[in-house]
Amino acid sequence: SQQGEEDPQALSIQEGENATMNCSYKTSINNLQWYRQNSGRGLVHLILIRSNEREKHSGRLRVTLDTSKKSSSLLITASRAADTASYFCATDANSGAGSYQLTFGKGTKLSVIP
Amino acid sequence: DTEVTQTPKHLVMGMTNKKSLKCEQHMGHRAMYWYKQKAKKPPELMFVYSYEKLSINESVPSRFSPECPNSSLLNLHLHALQPEDSALYLCASSQTVRNLQYFGPGTRLTVT
Repeated sequence: SQQGEEDPQALSIQEGENATMNCSYKTSINNLQWYRQNSGRGLVHLILIRSNEREKHSGRLRVTLDTSKKSSSLLITASRAADTASYFCATDANSGAGSYQLTFGKGTKLSVIP
Repeated sequence: DTEVTQTPKHLVMGMTNKKSLKCEQHMGHRAMYWYKQKAKKPPELMFVYSYEKLSINESVPSRFSPECPNSSLLNLHLHALQPEDSALYLCASSQTVRNLQYFGPGTRLTVT
């Protein structure tokens, strides 16, 4: 099953607006992580939220987690052209003793227009 | 130093070649990872090393062979690859598994 599905797949906004991206998943998780990736380059970690946390902030970023709905959202406030990138959620799922599984969603491509 | 470095940046190899990708970090992280990313797709986990021991192998074909010589270095040995193996190969590290991962810039691999 696909873990970590982002919504929308693509988002285009004006500079200064807020951008919200959502992520849904299917199985229980240890934590959920958000990453950004500029075109063809490595990923940059943004925020990790643990399963017992509901909200975390980092600068202009706000992440929420609703384990009852198996969903998370990433809010970027006061967007800038430099925020243009693909954003991925990744779920660290419970996959058995001694094993580790981090599964990335398909990503949301954000375009911030100056 | 909060950087993960990968070499080479680009690699073109034939299907009969043997090559290696290298990854290095000096953050004292004890978990290191290899991912494969095809164009416009999310990264897919290939291997995880925890305390220099391979802890997961996601049913990756044997033509990919990982090696962790020490806690700072991670290699991916490539042999008899197929054109469909062309992708961006990303290395990452984290303090231990289940922590945020620091990614390198990747190696763009083309198999001809």
